[in-house]
Amino acid sequence: KQEVTQIPAALSVPEGENLVLNCSFTDSAIYNLQWFRQDPGKGLTSLLLIQSSQREQTSGRLNASLDKSSGRSTLYIAASQPGDSATYLCAVWDNYGQNFVFGPGTRLSVLP
Amino acid sequence: ETGVTQTPRHLVMGMTNKKSLKCEQHLGHNAMYWYKQSAKKPLELMFVYSLEERVENNSVPSRFSPECPNSSHLFLHLHTLQPEDSALYLCASSQEIKTGGYGYTFGSGTRLTVV
Repeated sequence: KQEVTQIPAALSVPEGENLVLNCSFTDSAIYNLQWFRQDPGKGLTSLLLIQSSQREQTSGRLNASLDKSSGRSTLYIAASQPGDSATYLCAVWDNYGQNFVFGPGTRLSVLP
Repeated sequence: ETGVTQTPRHLVMGMTNKKSLKCEQHLGHNAMYWYKQSAKKPLELMFVYSLEERVENNSVPSRFSPECPNSSHLFLHLHTLQPEDSALYLCASSQEIKTGGYGYTFGSGTRLTVV
């Protein structure tokens, strides 16, 4: 059964810092991996989706990498801003279950 | 709003109450989903509907009863809940089921507290 973990569970940084969020999954037979952002009282917003054949995806200050063989992905946020404060969820699309398997999330606070 | 609207935003109910959660989308999507997000567990899929037909039920207790009267509306009927059912219930939709994770739109959720 696919399991997804995320480290750290919570992170607090001063504005302007570069930071890395980590995601691990137990079964490398994934179709893709997606990073979501969840704000309090709001739904999930997709940030980046990496196909299993890809190594990384970039969008603005965000860069996500994927190492399928080792079961790891990282989300790199450059020059963090208070507006980046949110919970970041990692989810893999499981080939067997044909559904998302989500990690527990990393709660990020960027202090002004 | 994200295109998927959930009501109510917050709900407090007693264990003997009966209540319903509502989800609505006008994105023209054919698939709709209920997810549960509790403090102790990651987001987990509860039910999947495709063109108003339930295609998946992930071992959810019968005290949760979904209903999909048409492709735009999805309900989750609740009865005789337990305190451990307190959670954020998220609705989502996609063009079709099994899209490989593409094009999902999530609602803002209903925060349910069972007392």
